Amino acid sequence: AQSVSQHNHHVILSEAASLELGCNYSYGGTVNLFWYVQYPGQHLQLLLKYFSGDPLVKGIKGFEAEFIKSKFSFNLRKPSVQWSDTAEYFCAAGGDSGGYQKVTFGTGTKLQVIP
Amino acid sequence: DGGITQSPKYLFRKEGQNVTLSCEQNLNHDAMYWYRQDPGQGLRLIYYSQIVNDFQKGDIAEGYSVSREKKESFPLTVTSAQKNPTAFYLCASTANRYGYTFGSGTRLTVV
Repeated sequence: AQSVSQHNHHVILSEAASLELGCNYSYGGTVNLFWYVQYPGQHLQLLLKYFSGDPLVKGIKGFEAEFIKSKFSFNLRKPSVQWSDTAEYFCAAGGDSGGYQKVTFGTGTKLQVIP
Repeated sequence: DGGITQSPKYLFRKEGQNVTLSCEQNLNHDAMYWYRQDPGQGLRLIYYSQIVNDFQKGDIAEGYSVSREKKESFPLTVTSAQKNPTAFYLCASTANRYGYTFGSGTRLTVV
């Protein structure tokens, strides 16, 4: 069965600190990977995605993630966080069936950035 | 602007009642999804539909029902059989494998 694990449930950082949120997935087959973000009071929105090619993907607002196939991981990183990055972050995985996919989400990580 | 509209934003249900959550999209997306979001549990898939008049159960379909009579609409009914319906419900759609567009959600509370 497909599953996604996020190790950190709640992370508190000071502004300008570096961020790394862990994500591991379990999936039998070619997988597509996503990070979504939910800012307070706002819609869930796509932060970045990986399908194939360069394992280091860049997303919006300075975020990036690295796909490490051997570790089944897709960790999210940002060199220097800002107060506006306070949000909940969800890792997700979906199968590459070529059609519309059913995506499995992790349990989320709440990031609090302290000014 | 194209997007997904969920209504109502807040909904209160009495014990034993069925309630229906609305989801409408004007993105011309074929696939639509319903997720339930609970604190500490992330998003769990309730139902999804890839074409009109067809839908499949997700991981937690018990106590829920859906219909897909129009491409734009994918309403979710929370029946009295759902034992713990208090949650935040999210509707999403996609036209391809490149990621979902989400609605703003409906918060359902049992009173």
